[in-house]
Amino acid sequence: DAGVTQSPTHLIKTRGQQVTLRCSPKSGHDTVSWYQQALGQGPQFIFQYYEEEERQRGNFPDRFSGHQFPNYSSELNVNALLLGDSALYLCASSFSGQGTYGYTFGSGTRLTVV
Amino acid sequence: GIQVEQSPPDLILQEGANSTLRCNFSDSVNNLQWFHQNPWGQLINLFYIPSGTKQNGRLSATTVATERYSLLYISSSQTTDSGVYFCAVGNAGNMLTFGGGTRLMVKP
Repeated sequence: DAGVTQSPTHLIKTRGQQVTLRCSPKSGHDTVSWYQQALGQGPQFIFQYYEEEERQRGNFPDRFSGHQFPNYSSELNVNALLLGDSALYLCASSFSGQGTYGYTFGSGTRLTVV
Repeated sequence: GIQVEQSPPDLILQEGANSTLRCNFSDSVNNLQWFHQNPWGQLINLFYIPSGTKQNGRLSATTVATERYSLLYISSSQTTDSGVYFCAVGNAGNMLTFGGGTRLMVKP
């Protein structure tokens, strides 16, 4: 049973560029949440997608956007990258009926902005 | 929003020692979870414990919701316990708010 799969594992981008990160949820899960984890800090909630719509959003600018596909996979897009966007981006999937109780996290994408 | 504080921020133990990690939160919660982040970055859920006490092998956790804190106990620590331990809480909606973590190093 595959867990949560994130790609790519590492990425280096230049300031001002755009980036797309991808997440495939655990089998049986229909909800995807994205978190940003800066070095030495705890993860911060970016947003959650369910039924292909953004259901809840954290305190992140509009440069951060997402999408969920009919197969429940999800993308996180970040436009106009800043040096401060350098972080580990974590995807968590869950089943809608379990809320955050059933969270399964992926290993993340480490984004470096130079 | 809700604030989550963890202590200590860093902890170094000799293998076999016991330890207690603390999590304080600023508001009532209906969800509290402890996670272990391994060296590869993956967060592994240890306990879902909005109240009460649970045990799983050498690990146990207690949450006193009325006093807004939770404790994670690690007994007979092993080098594989090294990593970062996070407390995360939720009180509405579908998001978790994480603390800053406790970085644990267990030396052989």
